[in-house]
Amino acid sequence: AQTVTQSQPEMSVQEAETVTLSCTYDTSESDYYLFWYKQPPSRQMILVIRQEAYKQQNATENRFSVNFQKAAKSFSLKISDSQLGDAAMYFCAYSQAGTALIFGKGTTLSVSS
Amino acid sequence: DSGVTQTPKHLITATGQRVTLRCSPRSGDLSVYWYQQSLDQGLQFLIQYYNGEERAKGNILERFSAQQFPDLHSELNLSSLELGDSALYFCASSVGAGQGTHEQFFGPGTRLTVL
Repeated sequence: AQTVTQSQPEMSVQEAETVTLSCTYDTSESDYYLFWYKQPPSRQMILVIRQEAYKQQNATENRFSVNFQKAAKSFSLKISDSQLGDAAMYFCAYSQAGTALIFGKGTTLSVSS
Repeated sequence: DSGVTQTPKHLITATGQRVTLRCSPRSGDLSVYWYQQSLDQGLQFLIQYYNGEERAKGNILERFSAQQFPDLHSELNLSSLELGDSALYFCASSVGAGQGTHEQFFGPGTRLTVL
């Protein structure tokens, strides 16, 4: 069975600084998708970034980028120029085409001014 | 706004009762997923429907059931409620099974409190 592990329950960063959230996963499949979701205090689940396993290029969305290491089964999220609005719970998730998401336990990110 | 709607936003009920949570997917999305978020279990997949048919089951209790209607909206029925069923229940939708970008778009959730 596939699993997703987020080893950092909490992280903190100062405004304008860079922070990296870690995620590892376990699967025997070669074709899959990885996601980072943000859950702010409103509890809404917001997709931050996605990565297709068949793509070697790391995904980037504005200040958010990933470091996808397929052989190591690692999928970290880098947030550059951190803002107060980035404070939230971040979930790493795995899925195959058309299947349910498997989530890690989440990392709570706090941002200080 | 993800385009996925869920009602009600909050629900408070007593043990032993039955409730129905409702979800309307984004326009054009055929797949609906239900997830439960609780403090001790995290985010867990419950069940998936695709174009009216049950597609996959996760950690869904026998006291829980769901269906997807011809207009593609879905309902999650929770019966014989226990205190441990208190959680945030999310509905998510995607284009289809194995199609599109495989992104799932989440509704705002229904907060269920069982007293």
